[in-house]
Amino acid sequence: DIVMTQSPLSLPVTPGEPASISCRSSQSLLDSDGNNYLDWYLQKPGQSPYLLIHLGSNRASGVPDRFSGSGSGTDFTLKISRVEAEDVGVYYCVQVLLIPITFGQGTRLEIK
Amino acid sequence: QVQLQQSGPGLVRPSQTLSLTCAISGDRVSSNVAWNWIRQSPSRGLEWLGRTYFMSKWHNEYAESVKSRITINPDTSKNQFSLQLNSVTPEDTAVYYCARWQHVRHTFDSWGQGILVTVSS
Repeated sequence: DIVMTQSPLSLPVTPGEPASISCRSSQSLLDSDGNNYLDWYLQKPGQSPYLLIHLGSNRASGVPDRFSGSGSGTDFTLKISRVEAEDVGVYYCVQVLLIPITFGQGTRLEIK
Repeated sequence: QVQLQQSGPGLVRPSQTLSLTCAISGDRVSSNVAWNWIRQSPSRGLEWLGRTYFMSKWHNEYAESVKSRITINPDTSKNQFSLQLNSVTPEDTAVYYCARWQHVRHTFDSWGQGILVTVSS
């Protein structure tokens, strides 16, 4: 199974400041079609997870442009350019290249 | 817009069978997507359990960790799919989610509301 490792696991951020979450996979997520099969999901308190970024860098419909995804192969980053109070929750990177689909441990973003 | 509504008991006795249902609105269970079960617990985090999908015929794929105990079945007459997990132990205590998977984008684009299932005597 592909192991997904996120850092940090806890991320206190001042509103208006940037934030960055790192995700590393135990094997490359870059497929022969040129796509990186890495998604980012956010789980807000008391809610189900929902899609933020797919194929490494593509924002899902309705996701604010302050969220961006980058990276390739085994190293990926989710960046929030200016954190807002509504961004609190747990962020997960997910490899969607191979079955079984596997999730990172999650990064809890909190507001300072 | 697709909606997934989960139902099932919140308490299951050890060694018994956990059974959950995910009712689909806004899509068909036989459409070109996959229907998944995922669980979440403090000890195991988010764990993909398996999926069912129709591509010329019905296919099922399961995580090795539960493969001997799990069945996911589509029900075309009720437009829903189900999860059965046999011989449960307290380690199966978790919030269980159903989710739709888009084959083209490789994403879970819709999730159920989640059900907390506790395995306890």
